[in-house]
Amino acid sequence: DGGITQSPKYLFRKEGQNVTLSCEQNLNHDAMYWYRQDPGQGLRLIYYSQIVNDFQKGDIAEGYSVSREKKESFPLTVTSAQKNPTAFYLCASSPRQGETPLHFGNGTRLTVT
Amino acid sequence: AQSVSQHNHHVILSEAASLELGCNYSYGGTVNLFWYVQYPGQHLQLLLKYFSGDPLVKGIKGFEAEFIKSKFSFNLRKPSVQWSDTAEYFCAVNAQGDYKLSFGAGTTVTVRA
Repeated sequence: DGGITQSPKYLFRKEGQNVTLSCEQNLNHDAMYWYRQDPGQGLRLIYYSQIVNDFQKGDIAEGYSVSREKKESFPLTVTSAQKNPTAFYLCASSPRQGETPLHFGNGTRLTVT
Repeated sequence: AQSVSQHNHHVILSEAASLELGCNYSYGGTVNLFWYVQYPGQHLQLLLKYFSGDPLVKGIKGFEAEFIKSKFSFNLRKPSVQWSDTAEYFCAVNAQGDYKLSFGAGTTVTVRA
């Protein structure tokens, strides 16, 4: 079955450490996105990529970085500069450039202590 | 930039009751509108969408939504809910031609058997 795989499901890190969240899709979608979900705030866009080797900042990119070296992969690094990293992170994809995300992964819950 | 407001944070109702979730957006141009649902332990999935045409949109599992342009609203409805409709519901909007999808804060719906 085609879909988006995020790993791991739960991730724990100490403050000051960088951590990378994995997102892989086998849908052959061009565009991929990272959202952050916090209680009472809905989903907020961190970064997005519409083609390989290109990505753009979303609304809350500070303290995060991404890469898009392969079409199927869009890893997100939460750096030590992110002031409030504990959250639920969702990866999404859409078929073509400029189309809104339609497919979501199961998410990774990151806890930083 | 567009913003989305969902009126209710948590709705509790009994099986067979009717459900209506409010969603208003603020954007002066042409928009695409979406409702997503997240069942417990599952990934976010598209419930229905509106791009153009008939403002009454039918989605999966008996849900429908009506786009009222003059009120900047896209309310979600279901005539008779089931216990399995217990989930979190998100309204989302994007300006046509824009990749960025803005989400509301979400409404948690609890259906009691």
